[in-house]
Amino acid sequence: QVQLQESGPGLVKPSQTLSLTCTVSGGSISSGDYYWSWIRQPPGKGLEWIGYIYYSGSTYYNPSLKSRVTISVDTSKNQFSLKLSSVTAADTAVYYCARDRYCSGGSCYDYWGQGTLVTVSS
Amino acid sequence: DIQMTQSPSSLSASVGDRVTITCQASQDISNYLNWYQQKPGKAPKLLIYDASNLETGVPSRFSGSGSGTDFTFTISSLQPEDIATYYCQQYDNLPAFGPGTKVDIK
Repeated sequence: QVQLQESGPGLVKPSQTLSLTCTVSGGSISSGDYYWSWIRQPPGKGLEWIGYIYYSGSTYYNPSLKSRVTISVDTSKNQFSLKLSSVTAADTAVYYCARDRYCSGGSCYDYWGQGTLVTVSS
Repeated sequence: DIQMTQSPSSLSASVGDRVTITCQASQDISNYLNWYQQKPGKAPKLLIYDASNLETGVPSRFSGSGSGTDFTFTISSLQPEDIATYYCQQYDNLPAFGPGTKVDIK
């Protein structure tokens, strides 16, 4: 059974960089069968896709966040990571990592982490 | 970018009722639409992919239909454990979720 687990600080100061890691178990990121995504959800609001990475390191980001986002992968640790720079209170959200098995119509998230709340506050 | 609308934004129904949620895209997305269920404090769960395909392990009371710009998600007989928010999600040049429909028991 595939499992994903987010980890990282729950509190980040404004203007600093948010850093999270997703550890994948029960399957290998290097299999090449999936894309690996970050999705966030501000408290009480809807879901926003941040970006994805393939095991090779190729990435695709949401244009609205592209200037501040970096997603990287460490296949030796079966992990992928998110960095979001210059954060503000608007970046306060539950951050999810998810597996994208790319259904015939495109992105399709079949496994998710439990989510981690990141609060931006001084 | 393609815009997604969902209706209603919330609904209350009785156990056993048939519940229908609609999702409309601002332009043709073929059958490139998925449906998720999110219970409070939990991650979303994929229920329907490619508009009408039931994800493995999901009860058959859930179904989806539609293509082009208009899509429908149905719970044939609402159960207490179906209380959740339901999101549609499309993939155009980037993934995007609808605003969600909150379902509760009357």
